[in-house]
Amino acid sequence: DSGVTQTPKHLITATGQRVTLRCSPRSGDLSVYWYQQSLDQGLQFLIQYYNGEERAKGNILERFSAQQFPDLHSELNLSSLELGDSALYFCASSVGDRLNEQFFGPGTRLTVL
Amino acid sequence: QKEVEQDPGPLSVPEGAIVSLNCTYSNSAFQYFMWYRQYSRKGPELLMYTYSSGNKEDGRFTAQVDKSSKYISLFIRDSQPSDSATYLCAMESDRGSTLGRLYFGRGTQLTVWP
Repeated sequence: DSGVTQTPKHLITATGQRVTLRCSPRSGDLSVYWYQQSLDQGLQFLIQYYNGEERAKGNILERFSAQQFPDLHSELNLSSLELGDSALYFCASSVGDRLNEQFFGPGTRLTVL
Repeated sequence: QKEVEQDPGPLSVPEGAIVSLNCTYSNSAFQYFMWYRQYSRKGPELLMYTYSSGNKEDGRFTAQVDKSSKYISLFIRDSQPSDSATYLCAMESDRGSTLGRLYFGRGTQLTVWP
């Protein structure tokens, strides 16, 4: 157990819908990262927050957004969902904002029908 | 060309074998190198974390980095059936706008049979 928690474990929804994924980092970690894992693309970095502020952005679609709250938990919002958004979404956390070990949560499996 | 290349396998070995897993990369700014283990439908678990070139050993696992060749390896000695998983290499740059993000290989699927 990495200490990173993610809810829900599974999510099944329809195209065009909006969902919110939640992540709680390890105690003491200030950075939260979101990654998407699909069969064809592998594990891809989406976005990073550090102590409430966006720090780095990767291959995140405009339909996706995230935020980190004062208690350091983070939410990833996915809207106008498409079939291709079906994937595993992982959250990771680390102490600092760079060059730190990143610890991953168990993931949320999103299925878009 | 992807920034990190990793042979997806699958790799199948008998229990007790020495396993060698490898990744190559193209970005010379990568300075930090990691190996993660991922069991089916679980989150990646950090195994090894190394900086720059050289070797690092932790129990049955040894990580090697050769920056001149842009090549990293993970060796597993005395492999066990419980080592059966997908192994992902990951890298991080120490400069620029890419700080903080990890670049992953596609993962190598390993099966260790009794």
